[in-house]
Amino acid sequence: KAGVTQTPRYLIKTRGQQVTLSCSPISGHRSVSWYQQTPGQGLQFLFEYFSETQRNKGNFPGRFSGRQFSNSRSEMNVSTLELGDSALYLCASSLGQGGQPQHFGDGTRLSIL
Amino acid sequence: GESVGLHLPTLSVQEGDNSIINCAYSNSASDYFIWYKQESGKGPQFIIDIRSNMDKRQGQRVTVLLNKTVKHLSLQIAATQPGDSAVYFCAEQKGGSYIPTFGRGTSLIVHP
Repeated sequence: KAGVTQTPRYLIKTRGQQVTLSCSPISGHRSVSWYQQTPGQGLQFLFEYFSETQRNKGNFPGRFSGRQFSNSRSEMNVSTLELGDSALYLCASSLGQGGQPQHFGDGTRLSIL
Repeated sequence: GESVGLHLPTLSVQEGDNSIINCAYSNSASDYFIWYKQESGKGPQFIIDIRSNMDKRQGQRVTVLLNKTVKHLSLQIAATQPGDSAVYFCAEQKGGSYIPTFGRGTSLIVHP
């Protein structure tokens, strides 16, 4: 069974630009969550989508948004990029029921110049 | 989740030793706990999980112990190998929630 796939693996952008990251979950998984990981803040939850609906949301500004398609694939968008947005963005998928582990992709490393 | 500072707690062991990584969780309502391993350049990898109705669960070379009285979780790795070198995260999940809260990681360094 293929794991969680994130594309691209690396991105370099400049301040003010926008970016879209993509995530393909494990087949059969209906929940996709996004996290931001930085050395200073650790793993921070952005949002979770389940059956094309945002079910949970973390404490990030509105510049961070996402969506989920009918095939469970998900995209995350960050607009008006800031230097502080430089981070590893991780996607995780799960069956979407309580008491089930999330499975992570290897992330997209976003660098803002 | 908790913040992780620039300097993670570090555990250094010799190859072949047993390793114990500890984690204190915060929410007494949490009923599901997970351990992840994150190697450099990769995403967190699921290792083992345990539900609150258990106090011990074993996998291949790994054992998770749960002490609900003091809200403490530990991961024991038997016969640690250089390939076990990574950052280990514990995560807790409250009943009815679909989102885990991650603790600060612990860096495990295994010396050959």
